[in-house]
Amino acid sequence: DTAVSQTPKYLVTQMGNDKSIKCEQNLGHDTMYWYKQDSKKFLKIMFSYNNKELIINETVPNRFSPKSPDKAHLNLHINSLELGDSAVYFCASSPPGAPRNYGYTFGSGTRLTVV
Amino acid sequence: AQSVTQLDSHVSVSEGTPVLLRCNYSSSYSPSLFWYVQHPNKGLQLLLKYTSAATLVKGINGFEAEFKKSETSFHLTKPSAHMSDAAEYFCVVSDPNTGNQFYFGTGTSLTVIP
Repeated sequence: DTAVSQTPKYLVTQMGNDKSIKCEQNLGHDTMYWYKQDSKKFLKIMFSYNNKELIINETVPNRFSPKSPDKAHLNLHINSLELGDSAVYFCASSPPGAPRNYGYTFGSGTRLTVV
Repeated sequence: AQSVTQLDSHVSVSEGTPVLLRCNYSSSYSPSLFWYVQHPNKGLQLLLKYTSAATLVKGINGFEAEFKKSETSFHLTKPSAHMSDAAEYFCVVSDPNTGNQFYFGTGTSLTVIP
């Protein structure tokens, strides 16, 4: 069973389009995250949700909107896609308690290419 | 404030020789430290973690890391490299001030030469 699953794995789309990436975890974790990995492999947090509530919202354009219908799901919707949005987006989750004690479990990533 | 520096962006070793991937951190408090591995076109997998217990931490696939507070280091080692170890490795720091936030290093790409 996949612990943290993201769909789609690959996404190629044109500038200006709106797209969504879905994430689901079956680990019973309370906290979920979205990270962006750029072309230089640098990972930066975008959002964090704990039990469906937003707790971290880094400086991200408001074209990016996370949605958490329940604590097992955290979706990422992106409006008006730009070339600079091309990256690999990783979903992650962590169990109750401080993540610093347990670490994150990552999904396999969604490679977004904007043309 | 906390940050993590991976001193080498690329490391090449021959198969069967030791691996050393260096990581230094800065943190105001006792940090938690992690190493993650990312194989090509894959997600990140936890290799090992230090959370204020034993300073020498053993992880999966024969990797280990030693927390040295005096040197603010958490270097990753393996006695003998395998071809399957070729991947990107990330050092990560978290401390009590930002309990839910991890800070990633910029990664070290490990190449294993047959």
